Parts: sequence; structure tokens; C-alpha cells
Amino acid sequence: NAGVMQNPRHLVRRRGQEARLRCSPMKGHSHVYWYRQLPEEGLKFMVYLQKENIIDESGMPKERFSAEFPKEGPSILRIQQVVRGDSAAYFCASSPTSGVDNEQFFGPGTRLTVL
Amino acid sequence: DAKTTQPPSMDCAEGRAANLPCNHSTISGNEYVYWYRQIHSQGPQYIIHGLKNNETNEMASLIITEDRKSSTLILPHATLRDTAVYYCIVRVATSGTYKYIFGTGTRLKVLA
Repeated sequence: NAGVMQNPRHLVRRRGQEARLRCSPMKGHSHVYWYRQLPEEGLKFMVYLQKENIIDESGMPKERFSAEFPKEGPSILRIQQVVRGDSAAYFCASSPTSGVDNEQFFGPGTRLTVL
Repeated sequence: DAKTTQPPSMDCAEGRAANLPCNHSTISGNEYVYWYRQIHSQGPQYIIHGLKNNETNEMASLIITEDRKSSTLILPHATLRDTAVYYCIVRVATSGTYKYIFGTGTRLKVLA
């Protein structure tokens, strides 16, 4: 059973370009979470999605950031018009249900560098 | 909005027990404490979780104080491969599921 997959693992963009980060949850998992980690800091929650629905986006910046989890295919975190401050590691996690013991399984992350 | 406080770094001799403390004085009655670790900036790896009672699994033990305001993660026999950043996390309910509130973590270095 493959774990959470993220691609690309490393992404370099110039200021003003768009970044698309993909996350394939573990098989059978329908809940996806995105976190951002700035250098030397802990992970910060961004958004929680179920298939075709954004459930909680309280951690998402109000502009330029969006997320989706379509019926078919991976979850996508999209950052438009990137700036240097967007440089960070972005981690995706998935869980099977929303129950009490829904441990989150993390992917390896995508490291975004904005030049 | 961090709900946990951890020492930034600790050293531990190989083969000895590593005791990692965490303060979570504002934790609510139904919020769990989770511990994850992150090795070399990889994705966080689950270790253990608990609510009120002490917990033990094949990796570690979790001791939670009676007032639930603090806890300690114990790695009974630390090895060099346990060198990592350890995060104490409070899991809060949101919109029908739960999200993790990470602290800043403790960087544990296991010394040979």
C-alpha cells in the first residue's frame, strides 16, 4: 500500500509565475490536509478537503492560494504570482475518515523555491 | 496560535532514555496530544497519541499529567536513528474532522 505521494519534490519558480503542487492520498483515504513549513519552524495548517469539497480553509492566505480535490485525480495546491515569501516546504497529509482515531499520514513534501 | 511549548533542543546519549517534555496548558478537555517526528526535513512520522491516560507502543511511551497541562514523550533506548525534530501537537476539532496545531518542536540529537 503506497503512502502519500507528492510531486514534484522540488519546484523552482521565478517571482510572478504559478506553482502547482500535487498530492495523491493513500489508497482508501478521502480526507486531505495541506500544511506549510517555513525554514526552522513547525508545520502550519492551511486547508482541509474532502472529495470535491473544501471543508476548512482557515489557514490559507486570502489571495493567490487555492486548493482543490477533484472527484478523479490528485489534490492540487495552486499558488498564483508567487513571491519570495512563498518559498517553503509544503506537506500534504491524508486520513481515512474523520473519526476520533484518524491519524494523519504525511507525504514527503514539495520544496518550493522562488527566485 | 501554537498550543504547545517545547524546549528547542536536547541531547541524549545512545542507549539511554530520551525524555522530551511538552507544555499544553490551554488544552481543552476533548483535545488529544499527538507526537510526530521529522527526520532530515522528510514528512512527519507518527509516534504516539493520547487523551488522558498514559500510552505505550513499540516506539515510545507518552506520560500525560493528571491536569493534562503537560506531557512527556519517552524513547526508552535512544539510537542514532532517533535524531530528529520531535513535535508535540494538539489536535483540535474543526468542521467535522480534526486539524493539527504544531508547536516549534524539539531538536533531539542522540550522541554516540
